[in-house]
Amino acid sequence: QITLEESGPTLVKPTQTITLTCAFSGFSLTTTGVGVGWIRQPPGKALEWLALIFWNDDKRYSPSLKRRLTITKDTSKAQVVLTMTNMDPVETATYYCGHYRVVGADRFNYYYYMDVWGKGTTVTVSS
Amino acid sequence: DIQMTQSPSSLSASVGDRVTITCRASQAITKYLAWFQQKPGRAPTSLIYAASTLQSGVPSRFSGSGSGTDFILTISSLRPEDFATYYCQQYANYPFTFGGGTKVEIK
Repeated sequence: QITLEESGPTLVKPTQTITLTCAFSGFSLTTTGVGVGWIRQPPGKALEWLALIFWNDDKRYSPSLKRRLTITKDTSKAQVVLTMTNMDPVETATYYCGHYRVVGADRFNYYYYMDVWGKGTTVTVSS
Repeated sequence: DIQMTQSPSSLSASVGDRVTITCRASQAITKYLAWFQQKPGRAPTSLIYAASTLQSGVPSRFSGSGSGTDFILTISSLRPEDFATYYCQQYANYPFTFGGGTKVEIK
């Protein structure tokens, strides 16, 4: 059974950097075709995709946030870490991590889908 | 970025009703579309991928269809536990993008 659990600070001040950790079990990030990613959701608003790291250490970021985001993995600890710099109050949100797997391929790409979500961790940005 | 537009943004329905939610992509995404369900105060859960393939464990009253730019999520007979917000998401191109959500409420 695949499970993921997010953790991190609940309250940060504007301009600070946050580090969110996704601890997972039930799979290995060394397995071909697997990834772990992050999505956030401000209160009462829609979901926003942030970043994704793959089994081979390839990474993808939201272009609008790329300068401020870093995603890394520690396969020995079964963890993925997301760092976001220069936090703003509008980024108050619940941050989710999730397990991705390949569900399609063509001659150009493999296509990844998020099939299991963590419960989320709430981050408030306020002075 | 590919823009995903869902309609309606909300709807009211009764238990037993057939419900359809549409999702339109700003450019063709073949079949690389997923649907997620989110109940209040809970994390989303995965329902459908590849436009029409049910995630393991999802009841068969849920179905998805479409390809290219236009997609539909159908709930054939609404049950009390289906009242939630539904999101579509494309995973054809990075960054992955979500629709704005459709809230299904009790009439």
